[in-house]
Amino acid sequence: EAQVTQNPRYLITVTGKKLTVTCSQNMNHEYMSWYRQDPGLGLRQIYYSMNVEVTDKGDVPEGYKVSRKEKRNFPLILESPSPNQTSLYFCASGRGAGDHYEQYFGPGTRLTVT
Amino acid sequence: AQSVTQLGSHVSVSEGALVLLRCNYSSSVPPYLFWYVQYPNQGLQLLLKYTTGATLVKGINGFEAEFKKSETSFHLTKPSAHMSDAAEYFCAVSEGGGFKTIFGAGTRLFVKA
Repeated sequence: EAQVTQNPRYLITVTGKKLTVTCSQNMNHEYMSWYRQDPGLGLRQIYYSMNVEVTDKGDVPEGYKVSRKEKRNFPLILESPSPNQTSLYFCASGRGAGDHYEQYFGPGTRLTVT
Repeated sequence: AQSVTQLGSHVSVSEGALVLLRCNYSSSVPPYLFWYVQYPNQGLQLLLKYTTGATLVKGINGFEAEFKKSETSFHLTKPSAHMSDAAEYFCAVSEGGGFKTIFGAGTRLFVKA
């Protein structure tokens, strides 16, 4: 089954404790991205990657790191989480152009930083 | 710079009534436009997309949207609301077909029996 998977789905942590949220896709997509969703703000793009070893900042990259060492994986790293990073995080993958343009979202990871 | 404005954070309709969710965008190049639906505690599901070609786009679950370049709009409609349509809806724009995507703030649709 074609899918984007994220782990963990739920995470409660404390301020300053490094964490990684993993994202994996099995569709051989070139593009992957991370978003955060906050009430009243919709989804905001954190980082995206157009291919292996190619990453770029989205609209809200501060406090986050990413890496793209393999095509299928795009982990999100919070080196020193803070309470304002409490949010719902979505990973997405995609490819194509025109009618073939597609983007698929993972199920989400709910992160709470206390 | 791209931006997306969804008019109305909450919309309430009666079952069987017309659903109209408004979306206006700004983009300096031809946009790709999307509507996504999010049911409670779930991820985003693509309803429909406009990339090129026909400006009236039909999606899943009876929804459709029309790209109006002169009005920079991409409103979502459904002729007859069903209780199962209650969800949050997001409009999004991708400039020139790239993957940098800007989302609107979302509109929560309530359907009354």
